[in-house]
Amino acid sequence: EVQLMESGGGLVQPGGSLRLSCAASGFTFSDYWMTWVRQAPGKGLEWVVNINEDGSEKTYVDSVKGRFTISRDNAKNSLYLQLNSLGVEDTAVYYCARGTVTLPGTDYWGQGTLVSVSS
Amino acid sequence: QTVVTQEPSLTVSPGGTVTLTCASNTGAVTSSHFPNWFQQKPGQAPRSLIYSTSHKHSWTPARFSGSLLGGKAALTLAGVQPEDEADYYCLLDSGGVWVFGGGTNLIVL
Repeated sequence: EVQLMESGGGLVQPGGSLRLSCAASGFTFSDYWMTWVRQAPGKGLEWVVNINEDGSEKTYVDSVKGRFTISRDNAKNSLYLQLNSLGVEDTAVYYCARGTVTLPGTDYWGQGTLVSVSS
Repeated sequence: QTVVTQEPSLTVSPGGTVTLTCASNTGAVTSSHFPNWFQQKPGQAPRSLIYSTSHKHSWTPARFSGSLLGGKAALTLAGVQPEDEADYYCLLDSGGVWVFGGGTNLIVL
């Protein structure tokens, strides 16, 4: 059974940092590219970043470039998102999702982890 | 910057058929945008329904179908069930950059 489990969310002050993790199981992690999507409270979905199978290609939404960094450890079946210089606008539930094998898209999603940025 | 537009809200009767659309401000949506559709119910994570315009996942009910219609991506629900009441989001790939639509709140009434 494919499972994705996010962790690392919490309350942080503006300007602070957090590192989110996504633990994957039930599939060969290194065969799939992965993505992070976020959702602010009461708002719609916002794509954040994609990473390819070996971590050599990363694509970010403009609003997080230079502040967020995606990475993966295929030996640990884990995906990460380093969040720096956080602002109140980054408050959201952050979801990790698995990419489809052959075409742009996703299939399995985690349950999300909440990041709250507030003083 | 690509802006993706969906109907904010639609209402459908149980057993009826409804089509949700997904438009881009840059022009016609084509198969090269690889449209995806997602369903999200209150308090739950999104669930992928359709990828690459019309491909279904193993869990996608047969009553859901994706297509291109009049320059937009479309999600059609035929024989709507009460449990289909949810928010639906489309996603377009614009040269590797993904953009979600604002979502459609589907009411089954």
